[in-house]
Amino acid sequence: NAGVTQTPKFRILKIGQSMTLQCTQDMNHNYMYWYRQDPGMGLKLIYYSVGAGITDKGEVPNGYNVSRSTTEDFPLRLELAAPSQTSVYFCASGQSGGGKTQYFGPGTRLLVL
Amino acid sequence: AQSVTQPDIHITVSEGASLELRCNYSYGATPYLFWYVQSPGQGLQLLLKYFSGDTLVQGIKGFEAEFKRSQSSFNLRKPSVHWSDAAEYFCAVGDNNAGNMLTFGGGTRLMVKP
Repeated sequence: NAGVTQTPKFRILKIGQSMTLQCTQDMNHNYMYWYRQDPGMGLKLIYYSVGAGITDKGEVPNGYNVSRSTTEDFPLRLELAAPSQTSVYFCASGQSGGGKTQYFGPGTRLLVL
Repeated sequence: AQSVTQPDIHITVSEGASLELRCNYSYGATPYLFWYVQSPGQGLQLLLKYFSGDTLVQGIKGFEAEFKRSQSSFNLRKPSVHWSDAAEYFCAVGDNNAGNMLTFGGGTRLMVKP
């Protein structure tokens, strides 16, 4: 059972380039999330989705876009990469309802130079 | 707005010694509280969670945590640490009104001396 998968594992971008971080879950979870983790810091929520076609901003959404066309997939788009977006990005999924566990993918390490 | 504070950035303990990692939260209602562990280069794995009932919660790998409402705390404990417990530990509070969003603390890095 794959759980939450993320691609790529690692990427180097030049300033101004764009890319999409892919996230797929096979647990039929309604809720999905994107977090970023900066060195020595906790995770901060970028965007989340409570179902296909429904997305909302988290704490740090600037510079990112998301879409949710299916239950399984929740891609994160960076349009104009900036050095401040150098980080490790984690995707997570969970069931609806209070107190439900979020299950995390292995992360994508992004370096913007 | 909810927040989580983990006062200890780094902790070093000897193998076999007991461990307590501190977590304080701020939340307007009864919180959902979580502890996650992150091994180097890995994603986060749930250790345990609290959302109601018994305030002493048992988790995986021999960890437990106690919810103390009066102190707004949810400290993680283990009676005897193993070298494989070296990792980063994150406390989080969940918002059941907004997509179950989690707010994380800054993390505590645990090192284990042989």
